[in-house]
Parts: sequence; structure tokens; C-alpha cells
Amino acid sequence: DVKVTQSSRYLVKRTGEKVFLECVQDMDHENMFWYRQDPGLGLRLIYFSYDVKMKEKGDIPEGYSVSREKKERFSLILESASTNQTSMYLCASSLSGPLSGNTIYFGEGSWLTVV
Amino acid sequence: GDSVTQMEGPVTLSEEAFLTINCTYTATGYPSLFWYVQYPGEGLQLLLKATKADDKGSNKGFEATYRKETTSFHLEKGSVQVSDSAVYFCALWDKGSSYKLIFGSGTRLLVRP
Repeated sequence: DVKVTQSSRYLVKRTGEKVFLECVQDMDHENMFWYRQDPGLGLRLIYFSYDVKMKEKGDIPEGYSVSREKKERFSLILESASTNQTSMYLCASSLSGPLSGNTIYFGEGSWLTVV
Repeated sequence: GDSVTQMEGPVTLSEEAFLTINCTYTATGYPSLFWYVQYPGEGLQLLLKATKADDKGSNKGFEATYRKETTSFHLEKGSVQVSDSAVYFCALWDKGSSYKLIFGSGTRLLVRP
């Protein structure tokens, strides 16, 4: 089974802190994604990466950056956390693009509260 | 652009009732279609998928058929259980949208004993 592991399930951080959310997948997937989920707004893509050191902005990249130094690990960075970044963050991965029946697999989510 | 429309929730059913959650899509290409389920406080789990027209995805008693002519992918289950209470998301993944999974807004299902 594919496993996407998010290192922290629940975090509480102070405004202005630098926050790292870590995600690891164990299936040698090329693509990795970070989404955030908010009531009434659904799931929104923050960033994705299609290869090591490669990244593309999603729909809401402002206030975030990402790092992918190794294929299995994709980190989301909040340079200076703000209260409007309080949310559920979901990491995902896939083997490649949507052809050939590929699937995107999600982690269990990280609940971040910024106070 | 690509989009997914799901029926509004919440959907409240009694145990053993028949479930349908409607999902329709708009896509420029030939997308793969998915249903994900989210239990309270958890991430998204893949429930089922279909990658081409007339494919039927099935898992845990849930089914959905990829209907190109009606651009639909409705989720059905013949007899729901209390443990099926969750939020269900329909999604499409189209090579036209590159890497982005396009989600519907989600439908909350509540099954009463």
C-alpha cells in the first residue's frame, strides 16, 4: 500500500514563527502536492513538485514556500506564520500524471493553529 | 476550465438505506475520475476511481460509473452503515489541468442507526 506520512498531526504556532510541515512518501512517486482545506472553501492547491528540486505554484502560494531535496520528501514552509494560515494541510503524492490510471494518494493531514 | 459539481449536503439517511451522491464534471480532455472519503479529523482516502468512459469503479460496496454522455460520476451504495458517515469528494484529474486534482465541494453523509 502507498503510504504518505505527515510528520505532525497537530501543531500550535505563534504569529511570526517559521513553520515546517514535513511529508514523506514511500512509493518512489515523482509528484508531490500540498493542499489546504478550509470550511466553505474546499481543497486548494498550494504547491506541487514533479521532480527533485522542481516546484510549481498552485492556486494559493502566497505566504508559503516548499522544498524538495529528496524524491521522497516534500516540505511546506510558512516563512512567517499568520492567523489566516490556521488550517488543515494535506500532503499527497502520485507516480506521474493522470494518464495510465495513476492515482493521487493523500496523507492524514496536519492541523495547524496559529495564535 | 475544468470543474466538478457535487450535490449539496448534508445527506441524512437511515442505516440500510440506498445512497446516491450526484457528481457532474466539465473537462476539456478525457479525465480520470475519483471519489475520496474523509472521516472526521482525518485526511482523504481514495474510495474508488475510473479512468475511461463506461468504467465502473467499486470498493467497500460503493460504486460509480464514468458516464461520458452525461459527464457524470454518481456515487451509489445499496445499503449504508453508520460507519459510512463521512464527507465524500468527487474529483477529476485531467491532463489538460496538468498536475492539479480538481475537487468538488464535498458532500457530508450522516447515517443514523
